[in-house]
Amino acid sequence: EIVMTQSPGTLFLSPGERATLSCRASQSLSTNYLAWHQHKPGQAPRLLIFGISTRATGVPDRFSGGGSGTDFTLTISRLEPEDFAVYYCQQLERAPDTFGQGTKVEIK
Amino acid sequence: EVQLVESGGGLVQPGGSRRLSCATAGFTIRNYWMFWVRQAPGKGLEWVANINEDGSDINYVDSVKGRFTISRDIAKNSLYLQMNSLRTEDTAVYYCGRESTSSEGGHWGQGTLVTVSS
Repeated sequence: EIVMTQSPGTLFLSPGERATLSCRASQSLSTNYLAWHQHKPGQAPRLLIFGISTRATGVPDRFSGGGSGTDFTLTISRLEPEDFAVYYCQQLERAPDTFGQGTKVEIK
Repeated sequence: EVQLVESGGGLVQPGGSRRLSCATAGFTIRNYWMFWVRQAPGKGLEWVANINEDGSDINYVDSVKGRFTISRDIAKNSLYLQMNSLRTEDTAVYYCGRESTSSEGGHWGQGTLVTVSS
């Protein structure tokens, strides 16, 4: 099983600031099967990024994904009030398609 | 518009069974990998199972192997999760979804709550 480790656990930031979320895989991903999801309480998760860096339909361009091998990042260039949520990375290269434990972006 | 709507959640006793359904619209499930993911209270997302386009490749997380079965009805364009021998630790909101392809993003349903308790 590929273990996904996210850091930090919680990120305290203000609206307008830049957020950088990290995700590390326990094994190098040879494909681009890496996704990021946003999850707010009481709502369905929302796919933000697939294929490491492709934004899903309707996702604002302030969200960007990158990385390769074992290290991946999600960057939110300028936080909007609606961006405060929990973010999960997920590898889909090899079953089980494991998630990281999540990074919570909280208002400072 | 792509839509996924789960149903079948509720209260079930330990050792009992439950069948979750996921009705879809806006796409044909035989063209996509489909999945189930759950979130236990206060916990993160946990991938549960998936099934490929033609149903020939099915995978489960170890904790549900031998107890849960993922399946599809192409005619109804629906996905299912049969859950047997339920345990209290299976209590969670269960989400169905459509996986991303190389060119299309995936989609999530709204979720259905399963509570396993006596």
